[in-house]
Amino acid sequence: AQSVTQPDIHITVSEGASLELRCNYSYGATPYLFWYVQSPGQGLQLLLKYFSGDTLVQGIKGFEAEFKRSQSSFNLRKPSVHWSDAAEYFCAVGAYGGSQGNLIFGKGTKLSVKP
Amino acid sequence: DGGITQSPKYLFRKEGQNVTLSCEQNLNHDAMYWYRQDPGQGLRLIYYSQIVNDFQKGDIAEGYSVSREKKESFPLTVTSAQKNPTAFYLCASHGLAGVRSEQFFGPGTRLTVL
Repeated sequence: AQSVTQPDIHITVSEGASLELRCNYSYGATPYLFWYVQSPGQGLQLLLKYFSGDTLVQGIKGFEAEFKRSQSSFNLRKPSVHWSDAAEYFCAVGAYGGSQGNLIFGKGTKLSVKP
Repeated sequence: DGGITQSPKYLFRKEGQNVTLSCEQNLNHDAMYWYRQDPGQGLRLIYYSQIVNDFQKGDIAEGYSVSREKKESFPLTVTSAQKNPTAFYLCASHGLAGVRSEQFFGPGTRLTVL
């Protein structure tokens, strides 16, 4: 069955430090993968997506993610975190078969940023 | 501007009452989705619709109902049968059913049962 695991429930980093949020997926075919960000009480905003091609994907707000098929991972990175990056981050994988278009979401990683 | 609107932003309901959450999109998207979000649970799919006049149950459909009479509208009714309806509800849409694309999300409705 398809699934997405975000091992870290909550991460705290200092402003200016680098960030890596982990995402592992289980998928029976070539996956397409997403990272979304959610501020408190708001909807989800797409940060970046991977469908095929270059395994290093650039997104908005200075984020990037790398698809590693051998590790079934799609980790999100940012070289220098800003206080405004404090939010919850969700990794998702696209479903296949009869429910194409549907997404399977991880449970999220909450990011706190220390001044 | 194209996007998804959800109303109201906050909704209060007494136990035993049905309540309907609105979701409208002007993106000309075929597919629409309803998710429920609880702290630490991520997003759980309630219902989805890939075409007008058709919809499918998601993982937690019990106690909810939907309709899709128009392409741009996908209202969700939380019925009195839903045991624990207090949650944040998100509506989303997708460009073409069966085509690889991201989902676009509305701002959400927070429902509180008093």
